[in-house]
Amino acid sequence: EAGVVQSPRYKIIEKKQPVAFWCNPISGHNTLYWYRQNLGQGPELLIRYENEEAVDDSQLPKDRFSAERLKGVDSTLKIQPAELGDSAVYLCASSLTQGANSYNEQFFGPGTRLTVL
Amino acid sequence: GEDVEQSLFLSVREGDSSVINCTYTDSSSTYLYWYKQEPGAGLQLLTYIFSNMDMKQDQRLTVLLNKKDKHLSLRIADTQTGDSAIYFCAENLWIRYIFGTGTRLKVLA
Repeated sequence: EAGVVQSPRYKIIEKKQPVAFWCNPISGHNTLYWYRQNLGQGPELLIRYENEEAVDDSQLPKDRFSAERLKGVDSTLKIQPAELGDSAVYLCASSLTQGANSYNEQFFGPGTRLTVL
Repeated sequence: GEDVEQSLFLSVREGDSSVINCTYTDSSSTYLYWYKQEPGAGLQLLTYIFSNMDMKQDQRLTVLLNKKDKHLSLRIADTQTGDSAIYFCAENLWIRYIFGTGTRLKVLA
């Protein structure tokens, strides 16, 4: 079974340019997560989807970041315009969520490493 | 508040045991996790422990949980060079994961 797929793996852009990341979760997983991982730190949640609905986007900088999960499967995360501080690894994860108190293993993709010059 | 802390670095010799520590702040977490991240890769789940357990053993891995002190540890027995990676502990708060800062484990041959 294929794992979580992300593309591109690497992206270098100049500041003020737009950028988009794509994620294909594991088939059948209802929950999808986007994380940002800064150098030397743990992942921080940006947004969580339950099927098509964004249920936790409190950490998403909404002035420049947007995300969508059409049809509850693939998802895209967009930054427009990018700033120098957006350089990080953007990780996508998915899980088959069965309740808040259940064991919900998250499966991570390899990430997209963004460098903003 | 939500804060998961780990020491940044650990260096051990091949064959020795490694112990990676983690402290968390929210006692309502139902599960606590240990993830491994190798260079250029995403996070891979190593093991997890339910919050009403004190210990869980899985082959070379032993997880200890002290709920009173909000302390979690991961012991790797007979550490190998392939264990060199960054290890993250994480707690789940109503499906939302809070990750620690990560501990970089270096195994010396």
